[in-house]
Amino acid sequence: AAGVIQSPRHLIKEKRETATLKCYPIPRHDTVYWYQQGPGQDPQFLISFYEKMQSDKGSIPDRFSAQQFSDYHSELNMSSLELGDSALYFCASSRLAGVSDTQYFGPGTRLTVL
Amino acid sequence: QQQVKQSPQSLIVQKGGIPIINCAYENTAFDYFPWYQQFPGKGPALLIAIRPDVSEKKEGRFTISFNKSAKQFSLHIMDSQPGDSATYFCAASTKETSGSRLTFGEGTQLTVNP
Repeated sequence: AAGVIQSPRHLIKEKRETATLKCYPIPRHDTVYWYQQGPGQDPQFLISFYEKMQSDKGSIPDRFSAQQFSDYHSELNMSSLELGDSALYFCASSRLAGVSDTQYFGPGTRLTVL
Repeated sequence: QQQVKQSPQSLIVQKGGIPIINCAYENTAFDYFPWYQQFPGKGPALLIAIRPDVSEKKEGRFTISFNKSAKQFSLHIMDSQPGDSATYFCAASTKETSGSRLTFGEGTQLTVNP
């Protein structure tokens, strides 16, 4: 079965640089969620999109922005990177949000900020 | 403030043992409670989930027990195997028509010794 695809899998950036993370949800899934997981921490919700509209916003820094495109893939844009942004970033997708709550997670993007 | 509290932080059992991981929540609006398994460097994978209208759900070797009045739920792993060694997260979400963020517990690092 198709899973959530994230790219790149690994990313190394310098402080103050920008990064773009991409997420391709499971086919026919209409909702995308982004989570950030620091070392030894639980995943923290950043932002979600339902049918290409932002549906919820969590603890996402103002330096970050995201959107969902017409093909339902999503991109997380991160600017003015800080050392503390080093983490695993997961995308999850679900179908018919509100009917099925199951979120399927991708393999993650490991961001390292030097 | 952690909205979903998970214990223990780490757990070591022998092969064939029955590890039990507990979670408690405060938000009575939570109505969906999944458990995720995560291996190092990988994305969380859904194990089993429950809604508050049932007190127990079993899938294979995994069982969730749910106590709505106490606002507690737990995961039992029957006949545990070394391959079950991973970090386990409980989570909770509310019912939203446009997708609901998952709020995770702190995680339990399970080690199953041969």
